[in-house]
Amino acid sequence: SQLAEENSWALSVHEGESVTVNCSYKTSITALQWYRQKSGKGPAQLILIRSNEREKRNGRLRATLDTSSQSSSLSITATRCEDTAVYFCAGMGYKLTFGTGTSLLVDP
Amino acid sequence: EAAVTQSPRNKVTVTGGNVTLSCRQTNSHNYMYWYRQDTGHGLRLIHYSYGAGNLQIGDVPDGYKATRTTQEDFFLLLELASPSQTSLYFCASSDPRWGGRAEQFFGPGTRLTVL
Repeated sequence: SQLAEENSWALSVHEGESVTVNCSYKTSITALQWYRQKSGKGPAQLILIRSNEREKRNGRLRATLDTSSQSSSLSITATRCEDTAVYFCAGMGYKLTFGTGTSLLVDP
Repeated sequence: EAAVTQSPRNKVTVTGGNVTLSCRQTNSHNYMYWYRQDTGHGLRLIHYSYGAGNLQIGDVPDGYKATRTTQEDFFLLLELASPSQTSLYFCASSDPRWGGRAEQFFGPGTRLTVL
């Protein structure tokens, strides 16, 4: 069963726009990670947000975590074509469990 | 930054065939993992290891064996490959200071096709 899952299968935006990917999880976690996977590559971590944090930023990326609703979001501002990728959330419980991913397409 | 390499990058075999996927990491991580990635399922954990000689069962272990020969090398074995094992396989490693739940560094993947 999926500990974490993204709420949208696919998103599409134009370059320069902002976009948000949402994630929900079902069990207790100590932290949540966001990964990005570009075509033909393995996933790479973008942000780790701990259960006692509500927000974490990394450049154009902003992650939020709401433990009461068991949800997280990853926002990307000023999107670029190179942001085109699949974005995963991964819940950190006794092990790391990945969601199924949201495919983001950024058009020029 | 962690370096994780996998070989081969692509592999085609027939049903009943014997396949070994190799993974090497060069950043002294104790934890290593094998995942398969399929559309609609995301990344699913097959086996993982805490160190040389150690093996742990993941969430989808049926039909797979694994062996961790050194801190650097982790192998995934399919002794009687089946078409249901056609997938994209990733190896990953993580830093021992944070246990098994830290950031994982992934290899480039191996695409396996079982005919």
